[in-house]
Amino acid sequence: QLQLQESGPGLVKPSETLSLTCTVSGGSISSSDNYWGWIRQPPGKGLEWIGSIYFSGSTYYNPSLKSRVTISVDTSKNQFSLKLSSVTAADTAVYYCARLTFGNVYFDYWGQGTLVTVSS
Amino acid sequence: EIVLTQSPGTLSLSPGERATLSCRASQHVSSTYLAWYQQKPGQAPRLLIYGASNRATGIPDRFSGSGSGTDFTLTISRLEPEDFAVYSCQQYGSSLTFGGGTKVEI
Repeated sequence: QLQLQESGPGLVKPSETLSLTCTVSGGSISSSDNYWGWIRQPPGKGLEWIGSIYFSGSTYYNPSLKSRVTISVDTSKNQFSLKLSSVTAADTAVYYCARLTFGNVYFDYWGQGTLVTVSS
Repeated sequence: EIVLTQSPGTLSLSPGERATLSCRASQHVSSTYLAWYQQKPGQAPRLLIYGASNRATGIPDRFSGSGSGTDFTLTISRLEPEDFAVYSCQQYGSSLTFGGGTKVEI
């Protein structure tokens, strides 16, 4: 059974960079049928796609966040990572990593999510 | 960017009743790229429907999806106690966006 697990600091100071890693187990991140993505959800609000990456390193980002987002992949560790720079309180959210399946473009496996709070 | 508007914001129903949730897109969305998710408090979203009408693995047949173009619907034929949750639609076009969600409450 495929599993994804987010890890990283739960508290980030304003103007700093948020960094999270997603570790994939029970399957290969190098699957040709899948992208891997980050989605966030501010408290009490809806879901927002941040961006997605293919095992080759090809990326797609939400245009509204593109200037601040970098997603990378490490196939040797079966991990992919998120960096979000110049964070503000508006970036406080639960951050999820998930597998994105080609064809119909949907997220079929999700991590449990990790709350990141931006505060001094 | 395609905006997805879900209605109603909250749906108050009883177990055994039928739930009809709407997802309206600001522009045409290919049915191929419309999905629905269920989310319970403190949990990650769970894929219910992909391609507008295809149930994901393990999803009971009381869940069904329909629609095309700019109007899509998720129907729960008979609500079970475990179905009370928030439901979100998602589309992929030039970018990927989610709707704001509909809460189905008792």
